Amino acid sequence: GAGVSQTPSNKVTEKGKYVELRCDPISGHTALYWYRQSLGQGPEFLIYFQGTGAADDSGLPNDRFFAVRPEGSVSTLKIQRTERGDSAVYLCASSLFGGGGAPDTQYFGPGTRLTVL
Amino acid sequence: AQKVTQAQTEISVVEKEDVTLDCVYETRDTTYYLFWYKQPPSGELVFLIRRNSFDEQNEISGRYSWNFQKSTSSFNFTITASQVVDSAVYFCALSEAITGNQFYFGTGTSLTVIP
Repeated sequence: GAGVSQTPSNKVTEKGKYVELRCDPISGHTALYWYRQSLGQGPEFLIYFQGTGAADDSGLPNDRFFAVRPEGSVSTLKIQRTERGDSAVYLCASSLFGGGGAPDTQYFGPGTRLTVL
Repeated sequence: AQKVTQAQTEISVVEKEDVTLDCVYETRDTTYYLFWYKQPPSGELVFLIRRNSFDEQNEISGRYSWNFQKSTSSFNFTITASQVVDSAVYFCALSEAITGNQFYFGTGTSLTVIP
C-alpha cells in the first residue's frame, strides 16, 4: 500500500518568503506528526495532530510556524518570513492511532528538503 | 537534557562482521517505548522495532537483534554478518506515555559496511 507522501521533495526559497509543505499520510491513519531534521541530527518533534486538531504543538519553534489538517487527512506545514536557520529536512509521519499511553509506531515520509537562501 | 544518547557517531565495519549500535535513554516515566529506525541514503526513515518498558525480552529478527536492559537504560542493536545494504544512519527513539506521542530521537549512528 501507499506510504506517507510529501511534496515538494525539494524547496528552495529566499529569506523572508512564505512556504507551504504538504504531507499525505497513510490512508486510515488518524495521527499525523511533523518533525524537522537538521544535518547530522535526529528528527526533532514539531507538532502532532489527532484527527483535525493539533494535540501537541509544543515543538513549533516560534509563531512563524503553523500547521493545519482541516479534514483529518492531508496536512500542511506553513512557514512565514523564512529565515536561513529554517533550512532543514521536514519530515512527516503518521500512525494508526494517537493518544497518550501507548504510542503507535510512526511511519515516515521521504521528507521535504527546504533551503532558504 | 538529551533523552536518547547514541554515543557512536560513525562506525565502519568490513562486510560479514558483526556490529553493535549503542543506545542509552533517560526517562522518569515507568511506561515508555523504544524504537529503532534506519535511514538509508534515500532519506526515508524505516521502522525496525518497537519495544515497551515492560518487555525486556531480547528480540531477534533475521540478522538483527536487540538487547533491552532497563538496569542500564540501554537498548542496543546488533547486526550479525553485516552486508553493504546495511549501510545507513540508524536512529534510536524514545516515547514516554506521560508526554504522549512525541518521539525523542538520538543523533544517530552512521554505519558504513565496506565490501
